[in-house]
Amino acid sequence: QKEVEQNSGPLSVPEGAIASLNCTYSDRGSQSFFWYRQYSGKSPELIMFIYSNGDKEDGRFTAQLNKASQYVSLLIRDSQPSDSATYLCAAYYGKLTFGQGTILTVHP
Amino acid sequence: ETGVTQSPTHLIKTRGQQVTLRCSSQSGHNTVSWYQQALGQGPQFIFQYYREEENGRGNFPPRFSGLQFPNYSSELNVNALELDDSALYLCASSLTADYGYTFGSGTRLTVV
Repeated sequence: QKEVEQNSGPLSVPEGAIASLNCTYSDRGSQSFFWYRQYSGKSPELIMFIYSNGDKEDGRFTAQLNKASQYVSLLIRDSQPSDSATYLCAAYYGKLTFGQGTILTVHP
Repeated sequence: ETGVTQSPTHLIKTRGQQVTLRCSSQSGHNTVSWYQQALGQGPQFIFQYYREEENGRGNFPPRFSGLQFPNYSSELNVNALELDDSALYLCASSLTADYGYTFGSGTRLTVV
């Protein structure tokens, strides 16, 4: 079982829709969780982090954490073509462990 | 405040050679970690340094080694390069890891 697993993509949504990205992790000791965005040919860029159960909102982005279910998600509201990228989920427990990424395409 | 900088940006090496990649951490960040990212995959943790000491290592062979200097900059050395070492190598730094790491722009290594 992979330590951090993301829902298989690619994911395609129309402009203005909600994009939902999901991630599960296996290590219950994981303390913090991160969502990174990576444009093609570029390095990962941190967009959200969460360490408490529940929701955390930042603009159009909402991260959700459920430690009992070992589940993290990212919702992107009012998706824009500029949101098209690979989204990486990562868990931290002494080191960052990444999932394989989900490719999101937002089409006009 | 400068971000994380890596050099060189691109590199082509021959199988069997050795390579050194460099990273300057963001100002004030005392933790540096290195990742290997193959095409279409998430970054894989290589190792991490905190105040010049290695404090974590991923599933990479000993020919991958590193250093962190007193100014918190870092090097990644890879000996006896193999074709499968071709990847994007990312350096990331952090002051408080719980709040995330900042990544450099990466070094694209091609082994031929």
